[in-house]
Amino acid sequence: DTGVSQDPRHKITKRGQNVTFRCDPISEHNRLYWYRQTLGQGPEFLTYFQNEAQLEKSRLLSDRFSAERPKGSFSTLEIQRTEQGDSAMYLCASSLVDRDYGYTFGSGTRLTVV
Amino acid sequence: AQSVTQLDSHVSVSEGTPVLLRCNYSSSYSPSLFWYVQHPNKGLQLLLKYTSAATLVKGINGFEAEFKKSETSFHLTKPSAHMSDAAEYFCAGRGAGSYQLTFGKGTKLSVIP
Repeated sequence: DTGVSQDPRHKITKRGQNVTFRCDPISEHNRLYWYRQTLGQGPEFLTYFQNEAQLEKSRLLSDRFSAERPKGSFSTLEIQRTEQGDSAMYLCASSLVDRDYGYTFGSGTRLTVV
Repeated sequence: AQSVTQLDSHVSVSEGTPVLLRCNYSSSYSPSLFWYVQHPNKGLQLLLKYTSAATLVKGINGFEAEFKKSETSFHLTKPSAHMSDAAEYFCAGRGAGSYQLTFGKGTKLSVIP
């Protein structure tokens, strides 16, 4: 088990382009979370899946953002028509059903919109 | 509403001296509280967690934290700082019935040789 894996590690894109990030959680974890971290801030919750069901979305997740978790395994986060304000580190985490476990975070995808 | 406040944005200590990173929380419910560490360009690593068991929690790398309900605090301590402890530290909380972690803004720890 190599932990939570995120791909790519870095992404530079031009404003207006679409980008997609992938997260592979720890295999036995059925919960998956996306967070966004901007410079100098703590991570902020974006969305949460239990198996393949997206159960909670933050108001930070505008209609340009969409997340999926087909078959309850890996997840993708897509940002359409990127804006400079989307530049951030996008972190994925996973956990077991028992909510008392801390999350395991991936190393993140750093997005720079130019 | 759940909120977490880290009282210092930057703490600087000499190698071998104690570390204290402060975190206060506000919540109407007994929370689960966590400390994470983030090294440059890395993800978050869980140091320790409090989940309504013992109020003194021991974590990895010699770190400890004490949950004090009367003070709504969950400060992180370490008796002796190492150079490898230099990183950013985040306190996070999760209220009862919630799956979201609410993070503080982080405290950058510098360790001076």
